[in-house]
Amino acid sequence: NAGVTQTPKFQVLKTGQSMTLQCAQDMNHEYMSWYRQDPGMGLRLIHYSVGAGITDQGEVPNGYNVSRSTTEDFPLRLLSAAPSQTSVYFCASSRTSGGSTGELFFGEGSRLTVL
Amino acid sequence: AQTVTQSQPEMSVQEAETVTLSCTYDTSESDYYLFWYKQPPSRQMILVIRQEAYKQQNATENRFSVNFQKAAKSFSLKISDSQLGDAAMYFCAYRSPTSGTYKYIFGTGTRLKVLA
Repeated sequence: NAGVTQTPKFQVLKTGQSMTLQCAQDMNHEYMSWYRQDPGMGLRLIHYSVGAGITDQGEVPNGYNVSRSTTEDFPLRLLSAAPSQTSVYFCASSRTSGGSTGELFFGEGSRLTVL
Repeated sequence: AQTVTQSQPEMSVQEAETVTLSCTYDTSESDYYLFWYKQPPSRQMILVIRQEAYKQQNATENRFSVNFQKAAKSFSLKISDSQLGDAAMYFCAYRSPTSGTYKYIFGTGTRLKVLA
């Protein structure tokens, strides 16, 4: 059981470049989300999805796009990378049905550096 | 809007001793979920313990327990018999159960150092 798989684990970009962070989960979770973690700021929600075809913005959505075409996958796209997007990114998923408390299952994180 | 505050950026504890990490939150909801997550140097986020607000009994998981004070909106984590492997960042998190709203609010974290 792989859980939540994020790729790549490390990436260096130049300002203006684009890239996609991949996230896949094999637990049939309805809810998927992306967070960024910056020193002293905890985890901040970028975008989330409660099911295929449904996405919504979180606290810090600017500069990021998402889509949810399948239950399993929830990629995060940076269309034109900026140094302010240098961060560690986490994908997380959870059940939302069946009386679940909604424990989040996290990927291993992706460290992104924008030069 | 809900907020979660961890007022201790860093804490230290002697091995085998007990330490308490503080967390307060602000919400107008009566039903919600609270979590403590651990992030060791490996960066992997691991669930430590969870608490449903409607349950009066404090949650316990082996050496980890919480002191949930609903009226005071306080949710502290107590680690007993601290071990070197407990050294990590600890995040407190709040989740609303409201249908259609699945936003989790995280605190800024407390870095726990365990001294041998």
